[in-house]
Amino acid sequence: NAGVTQTPKFQVLKTGQSMTLQCAQDMNHEYMSWYRQDPGMGLRLIHYSVGAGITDQGEVPNGYNVSRSTTEDFPLRLLSAAPSQTSVYFCASRHRLGGYTFGSGTRLTVV
Amino acid sequence: AQKITQTQPGMFVQEKEAVTLDCTYDTSDPSYGLFWYKQPSSGEMIFLIYQGSYDQQNATEGRYSLNFQKARKSANLVISASQLGDSAMYFCATTNTGNQFYFGTGTSLTVIP
Repeated sequence: NAGVTQTPKFQVLKTGQSMTLQCAQDMNHEYMSWYRQDPGMGLRLIHYSVGAGITDQGEVPNGYNVSRSTTEDFPLRLLSAAPSQTSVYFCASRHRLGGYTFGSGTRLTVV
Repeated sequence: AQKITQTQPGMFVQEKEAVTLDCTYDTSDPSYGLFWYKQPSSGEMIFLIYQGSYDQQNATEGRYSLNFQKARKSANLVISASQLGDSAMYFCATTNTGNQFYFGTGTSLTVIP
């Protein structure tokens, strides 16, 4: 099993550009989430999904959109990139009663 | 909302010694889970150990054990016989009946040879 696959691993954007961070899992997990990690702030939840067709906002959703058309995929869209969105992004998935399996992360820089 | 507090930004331990990483949580949910993750310098997040709020015994996984004190709302991670490879960031996390995950700010552990 590949687990949770995130692409790209690194990305540089100009302010105002849009992009999609891809996330796919092959473990048939119901739950998927996106987190951002900033120094001294731990991981903060951006958006999450408890199943295909269902998404909800986390702590820091502004500037991001998600969709969950299939169980496997949970892309994160940055609508108009801002320097404040420079961060490391993690996608994670889990079964309802389990712990998260994390992707390897995407290091995003917005200039 | 849940809140997780990790009060130790950095810890040092001698190789082969035991170390305790502190974690306190704040929740009004009767049912919740507690997790510890390790993040080495390479950046990946590695699941270490899980404790359910109704579990009677403290969870153990190899050299990791979770010292769960429900009344104090604490879930400290104990690493026995520290190894150089244990040097990493450690995050405590909790989930509730709403199934959202909340992470602490982490503790950086350095194992000294």
